Amino acid sequence: SQTIHQWPATLVQPVGSPLSLECTVEGTSNPNLYWYRQAAGRGLQLLFYSVGIGQISSEVPQNLSASRPQDRQFILSSKKLLLSDSGFYLCAWSVQREVGYTFGSGTRLTVV
Amino acid sequence: RKEVEQDPGPFNVPEGATVAFNCTYSNSASQSFFWYRQDCRKEPKLLMSVYSSGNEDGRFTAQLNRASQYISLLIRDSKLSDSATYLCVARGTDKLIFGTGTRLQVFP
Repeated sequence: SQTIHQWPATLVQPVGSPLSLECTVEGTSNPNLYWYRQAAGRGLQLLFYSVGIGQISSEVPQNLSASRPQDRQFILSSKKLLLSDSGFYLCAWSVQREVGYTFGSGTRLTVV
Repeated sequence: RKEVEQDPGPFNVPEGATVAFNCTYSNSASQSFFWYRQDCRKEPKLLMSVYSSGNEDGRFTAQLNRASQYISLLIRDSKLSDSATYLCVARGTDKLIFGTGTRLQVFP
């Protein structure tokens, strides 16, 4: 069966520090991968999505970037975190266009 | 205008009550729709897809009205465990668009 792993579960980082969040999917090949952010009390905001290795689409301009170095690996990065980067970061995957996404358990990031 | 709009609630209902949530979407080209459930501080989980003819899964019934561009979720015989935020979702081009969610609180 397919599983999605996301880590770490929680993270506290100082302003200006770098960030790297990793997401991996098992049990499937060539998944569509997504990074969402949910700020406190807010809805899900799509940050990046990828339909294949090296293919990244950015939805919102900001100081975050994403990479897909392997088929089932999706990485979210920042060179310098801002206070406004705090939130709940969720990775998700899907295979077919007409099905819903499956989310990882998320990383709760607090920038201090 | 948001692409997917929901009443944020909260809806406070007693156990056993029937509660309905509505949601509107702006993109008439959207073809797929879903309801997700999100518990506090957890990831969203797919509750059910929404089909044009309407569909039912136990106590949950989803309806789609394409002419009016709205989606509904009906929960019958509410349980304490139904307390959560319910997210309405429409498929845009290559991605899902999530509403901000409707919070449901079921009390004894």
